[in-house]
Amino acid sequence: EDQVTQSPEALRLQEGESSSLNCSYTVSGLRGLFWYRQDPGKGPEFLFTLYSAGEEKEKERLKATLTKKESFLHITAPKPEDSATYLCAVQAGTALIFGKGTTLSVSS
Amino acid sequence: GAVVSQHPSRVICKSGTSVKIECRSLDFQATTMFWYRQFPKQSLMLMATSNEGSKATYEQGVEKDKFLINHASLTLSTLTVTSAHPEDSSFYICSAREGNSYNEQFFGPGTRLTVL
Repeated sequence: EDQVTQSPEALRLQEGESSSLNCSYTVSGLRGLFWYRQDPGKGPEFLFTLYSAGEEKEKERLKATLTKKESFLHITAPKPEDSATYLCAVQAGTALIFGKGTTLSVSS
Repeated sequence: GAVVSQHPSRVICKSGTSVKIECRSLDFQATTMFWYRQFPKQSLMLMATSNEGSKATYEQGVEKDKFLINHASLTLSTLTVTSAHPEDSSFYICSAREGNSYNEQFFGPGTRLTVL
């Protein structure tokens, strides 16, 4: 069964304290792994797509990496405005399968 | 680019009435559109997938007669919740994808439905 597991469920950081979010997946025939950011009461905002093991992508303080079993979202020197829920999803067939997300809180 | 809009953003209705939610891709042609439902502090649950001009494909457990989906053009899909009940209250989010299944989905801002 295709499955996506994100950890931790919640993460509290001080401003400037770097950390990583984990997304473990089992899927037959991965067509892509996607990271989204979701603010409360809003739709997910697209961040990255990764297609193959070893691939990395960066955007400002965020860097996403992919292996054959998991993906990491590294946050370098986070700021309070990075506080949000980060969702990982894998493309299996035509549908996206989402993890439950990691809720990040960054305090100044 | 890649903007998806939803209307309305919030709707409150009485039990037994029907509610229509619109999803539009503003700057690209959406080959496929998706409808999700999200409960508080839960992740997104796919309800159905629709391709322009075709009948929607519903996920297991989703009643197709209750959640009517129309994808009449490459930029517009609608979800109609028929005979809404309080348990249908939720956050409904649409997404749109251009081209094939390797492309990312772009999400709308969501619609908060409250059924009294």
